[in-house]
Formats: sequence, C-alpha cells, structure tokens
Amino acid sequence: GAGVSQTPSNKVTEKGKYVELRCDPISGHTALYWYRQSLGQGPEFLIYFQGTGAADDSGLPNDRFFAVRPEGSVSTLKIQRTERGDSAVYLCASSRNPGTSGDTQYFGPGTRLTVL
Amino acid sequence: GQNIDQPTEMTATEGAIVQINCTYQTSGFNGLFWYQQHAGEAPTFLSYNVLDGLEEKGRFSSFLSRSKGYSYLLLKELQMKDSASYLCAPYSSASKIIFGSGTRLSIRP
Repeated sequence: GAGVSQTPSNKVTEKGKYVELRCDPISGHTALYWYRQSLGQGPEFLIYFQGTGAADDSGLPNDRFFAVRPEGSVSTLKIQRTERGDSAVYLCASSRNPGTSGDTQYFGPGTRLTVL
Repeated sequence: GQNIDQPTEMTATEGAIVQINCTYQTSGFNGLFWYQQHAGEAPTFLSYNVLDGLEEKGRFSSFLSRSKGYSYLLLKELQMKDSASYLCAPYSSASKIIFGSGTRLSIRP
C-alpha cells in the first residue's frame, strides 16, 4: 500500500516569505506527527494530531509555526516570516493506534526547506 | 527532563558484529524504538522493546533494561548496506517518540 507522502520534496524560499508543507498519511492512520531534522541530529518533535485536533503542539518553536489537519487526513505545516534558522528537513509520520504499546510511526520522505 | 545518549559515530567491518548502546532518561516510558536512517532518506522502523530482555529479528537484535535506562542494538553479519544512522527513540507516555541524535555507522570492506 501507499506510504506517507510529502510535497514538495524540496522548497527554496527567501527570508521573510511564507511556506506551506503538505503531508498525506497512510490511509486509516489516525495519528499524524511533524518533526524537524537538522543535519547530524535526530528528528525533533513539533506537533502531533489525533484525528483533526492537535493533541500536542509543545514542540512548535514559536508562533510563526502552525499546522492543520482539517479533515483528519492530509496535514499542512505552515511557516510564516521564514528565517534562515528554519532551514531543515521537515518529516511527517503517521501511526494507527497512538497511545498503544508499540504503535509504530511510519515516516514520509521529508521536505527539505532552504531559507536564503 | 529528557536525555538520550548514544555514540556519535562507529566503524565496523563487513561480516562482523557491532553493538550500539543507548542510555536514556525520559519523563514517562512506554517502550523504546530503534530506527534506521540512510543518508538523505526517512527513518525506517527496526525494532520495539517494551519488556526487559532481548528481541531478535534476523540479523538485528535489540535489548532493553528499563531499570537501568539502557538499550542496545546488535547488528550481526554486517553488510555494506547497513551503513546508516541508527536512532534510539524512547516512547513516552504522551504518545510521543523522543529521538536521540543517532549513531552514524560506517561499514568498511
């Protein structure tokens, strides 16, 4: 079956611009996660959705970052007034049964964001 | 607080065995994942331990000691394709996986 997909695969933007990154999870997965990964580091948690609602947004670094999942499937991560420090790979993952033991997260290929 | 400690880099020889250690401290603990990540690719699931002991899956095994906050990943019969980063990732009670920085494993012929 289809895995997690993310678009675009690469995004180059200028400092101060607005960007949207899209994630399409595995069909039937109720949970969706966004992570950010910088070179040489592990993925850093940003936000977790269960269904349509954000169950935990404690990882969002500031109010320039926002994410939605209006119909409980596709999610969009939105970054306003981008800064050079936002440059990273943004990973999306989904899982079937959040909160249950061994609920595995499956990752998409990521979007590489470069802010010039 | 949350803290995950694993070696930054390791090197091993094709055909050999390597053990990647991880110690962790997390607020809440529901088990521990190991993920593999090849350069430029997404992390892929390798193993999950919730009980103490060794879980074996083909060439890869993973061990957990909850009381010691310690896990290791054991890779046997190393192949060149095993060159990747290996991420130790405790699963907290908040349905959240916390990833370490990863161990970059290089396999030499």
